[in-house]
Amino acid sequence: EAQVTQNPRYLITVTGKKLTVTCSQNMNHEYMSWYRQDPGLGLRQIYYSMNVEVTDKGDVPEGYKVSRKEKRNFPLILESPSPNQTSLYFCASSSWTRSNYGYTFGSGTRLTVV
Amino acid sequence: AQTVTQSQPEMSVQEAETVTLSCTYDTSESNYYLFWYKQPPSRQMILVIRQEAYKQQNATENRFSVNFQKAAKSFSLKISDSQLGDTAMYFCAFLFGAGSYQLTFGKGTKLSVIP
Repeated sequence: EAQVTQNPRYLITVTGKKLTVTCSQNMNHEYMSWYRQDPGLGLRQIYYSMNVEVTDKGDVPEGYKVSRKEKRNFPLILESPSPNQTSLYFCASSSWTRSNYGYTFGSGTRLTVV
Repeated sequence: AQTVTQSQPEMSVQEAETVTLSCTYDTSESNYYLFWYKQPPSRQMILVIRQEAYKQQNATENRFSVNFQKAAKSFSLKISDSQLGDTAMYFCAFLFGAGSYQLTFGKGTKLSVIP
């Protein structure tokens, strides 16, 4: 089954403790992206990657890092989490074709930083 | 700047009735892609319907259809014969420009279907 897999689904951590949210897709998509969702703000892009070793900042990149060493994986790293990073996070991937354009989203990761 | 506006934070509709969710946008691009996503309480982001800006014909997927008014920069979603399972957050989203891969989302409309 074609899918984007995020782990964990839920995570509670303390301020300053480094964490990684994993994202993996099995569709051989070139493009992957991370979004955060906050009430009343919709989804905002954190980082994206056009292909292996190619990453760039989205609209809200502060406090986050990413890497793209393999095509299928795109982990999101919080080096020193803070309470304002409490949010719902989504990973998405895409491979654009004329007949099949759009994004596939993971199931989301609910992160709480206390 | 490219912006997306959903002016209805919350809406409700009676089961079996029809409801229309509004979305407007601002862009100077001539070619772009438009989407409606549904997010039920399970929080999964589910693609409902999509449209390419250059296509004149409005997209339809079963009970879901769009009214795309390019000149007015409007992209509304109509849900016919509303069902309890349609209760969810609905987001409109845009991909502005042929070479862009960044989805820009509206803030969402919370739809409740009342039995």
